[in-house]
Amino acid sequence: NAGVTQTPKFQVLKTGQSMTLQCAQDMNHEYMSWYRQDPGMGLRLIHYSVGAGITDQGEVPNGYNVSRSTTEDFPLRLLSAAPSQTSVYFCASRRTQQDWSPLHFGNGTRLTVT
Amino acid sequence: GQQVMQIPQYQHVQEGEDFTTYCNSSTTLSNIQWYKQRPGGHPVFLIQLVKSGEVKKQKRLTFQFGEAKKNSSLHITATQTTDVGTYFCAPPAGGTSYGKLTFGQGTILTVHP
Repeated sequence: NAGVTQTPKFQVLKTGQSMTLQCAQDMNHEYMSWYRQDPGMGLRLIHYSVGAGITDQGEVPNGYNVSRSTTEDFPLRLLSAAPSQTSVYFCASRRTQQDWSPLHFGNGTRLTVT
Repeated sequence: GQQVMQIPQYQHVQEGEDFTTYCNSSTTLSNIQWYKQRPGGHPVFLIQLVKSGEVKKQKRLTFQFGEAKKNSSLHITATQTTDVGTYFCAPPAGGTSYGKLTFGQGTILTVHP
């Protein structure tokens, strides 16, 4: 099993550009989520999904969209990139919303917005 | 809303010294998880604590959950260079709500050989 796969690993965008960060898991996990990590800020939850067709906002959802059309995929869309979105983005999944099983993280996407 | 404070933010130790990081919540927690992130890597699950006063050990790592379930700690005995990284506590958002897992700010541990 590959676990949680994120692409791309690195990305540079200009202000105003849009892009999609891809996340896929092959563990049949119901719960998927996106975090951003900034120095001194820990990991902050952007959006999460408890199953296909269901998404909800986390702590810092502004400027990001998500969708969950399949169990496996949970893409994160930046609508109009801003320098404040420069960060490392992690996708994470676990079996279900309720069981508090461990989160499995992808390797991350390092995004720079100039 | 829930406030989670993790201290210290940084800790520098000599190899062989002990290390402790603390996680304090303003609300009662149903459980708490701990993760480790190596430099340049992604967070990796270490352990989950559920019961009041629970203590769990993994080799040189000791995890505790407070009696009031509002605080937790991770203690490493006789640190090694392989312990380098950032340690995060991760309680559920709002203390008990399902779904959202929040993370403390993390403690960055450096170990000097």
